[in-house]
Order: sequence, then C-alpha cells, then structure tokens
Amino acid sequence: TQLLEQSPQFLSIQEGENLTVYCNSSSVFSSLQWYRQEPGEGPVLLVTVVTGGEVKKLKRLTFQFGDARKDSSLHITAAQPGDTGLYLCAGLNDMRFGAGTRLTVKP
Amino acid sequence: NAGVTQTPKFRVLKTGQSMTLLCAQDMNHEYMYWYRQDPGMGLRLIHYSVGEGTTAKGEVPDGYNVSRLKKQNFLLGLESAAPSQTSVYFCAVDRKNTEAFFGQGTRLTVV
Repeated sequence: TQLLEQSPQFLSIQEGENLTVYCNSSSVFSSLQWYRQEPGEGPVLLVTVVTGGEVKKLKRLTFQFGDARKDSSLHITAAQPGDTGLYLCAGLNDMRFGAGTRLTVKP
Repeated sequence: NAGVTQTPKFRVLKTGQSMTLLCAQDMNHEYMYWYRQDPGMGLRLIHYSVGEGTTAKGEVPDGYNVSRLKKQNFLLGLESAAPSQTSVYFCAVDRKNTEAFFGQGTRLTVV
C-alpha cells in the first residue's frame, strides 16, 4: 500500500491570494493524479503527472511532480471563490487517495 | 449518456438491516471501484473489480461484499449494517488506470 499524505488539511484564504498544497509519500509513484471535489459531487480529474520534475499548467493552477516521484504540489495563483473545494491526490497504480485539502476562498 | 449512476442517492437503515448499492456505467470501462468518504479521511477504497466476474479487496473491505456479474454493474452489499458504516459511498469507473469517473454518491445513515 502506498500512502499519500496531504497538507494542509484545511486552508482558508481571501480572493486574489496565492496558495500551495502538497501531496507526499515515502513511496515512489509511477504517476499521480489530482482531483477536485465540490460539495455533493464526486471528484473530477484535474491532471495526471507522470515524469519526475514534470510541471503542468491548467489556467491558474500549476502542478509539479517531484524529481524522485514521491511528492507533488498544486499551486493556485490569484485564487477565486470558484476554486473552493476539496483537492485530492491519488496514486494511479492503485487508485488510492490522500485525505485531501479542503480549500475555502473568501470573496 | 449518464456515465456513472448510483442507486439509491440516500438511504437510512436500522442497525442489522441489509442493503445493496448499485453502480451502473455506460462507459464500457473495465475497472470499477467502491469508496467510502468520511470527514477528514478522504476516499478510502472498499473493493474494486478489474473486469466482469472479478473482485478484490481494498483498504477497508470488512463488513462489505461486492459482485460484478455484468461488466456494466458493480454492486456493494452490506449484510448487517452498523452505525460505523454511516458514510457517503462513491462508485468510480476507470479504463485501466487512466482517469476515474465518479458517480454522484450515496449518502447512507445507519441508526
């Protein structure tokens, strides 16, 4: 079992601020995925990172996969209230998820 | 095109009762998963299936059984419900570890 630890568990910020959330493991992953879940809905895939050191951008979201493929980060620039949600990382090999970071962006 | 449909959406059970949750997909994907989601604990994998007629245990399988008699359906059974099984249950489908598509969830309360 490859355990994923996410931090912080909760994050509350003002609109326009930048933030970074993390997904860490002691194990090496062939690839990691980030999902976002809104209240009352199932998670939806944001990105898959595969190569160590890889950086992917999705509008104001920047995802990075660590060089050793044991960790990943999600950076949001100029957060908006629409970014509010639960951000989950998952190991693609076994589809197991971290506990998530619950982000609240206040207008 | 409904994608992944979970039935029912809400249910209240008494301790000791049994029930079956149905996950139906029209995406023709091989892999199907059942998760439970509790506050502060993210999604925990209960059971999964990599194809019709196959099932395997996940992280938290105790108290649950599953069946995958048809490719499009994955059933999760609770034989004797306990209050600890109060949770939101999500089904997901996946084409061989590429992207998981989730249903809307089933909110189960055991009293």
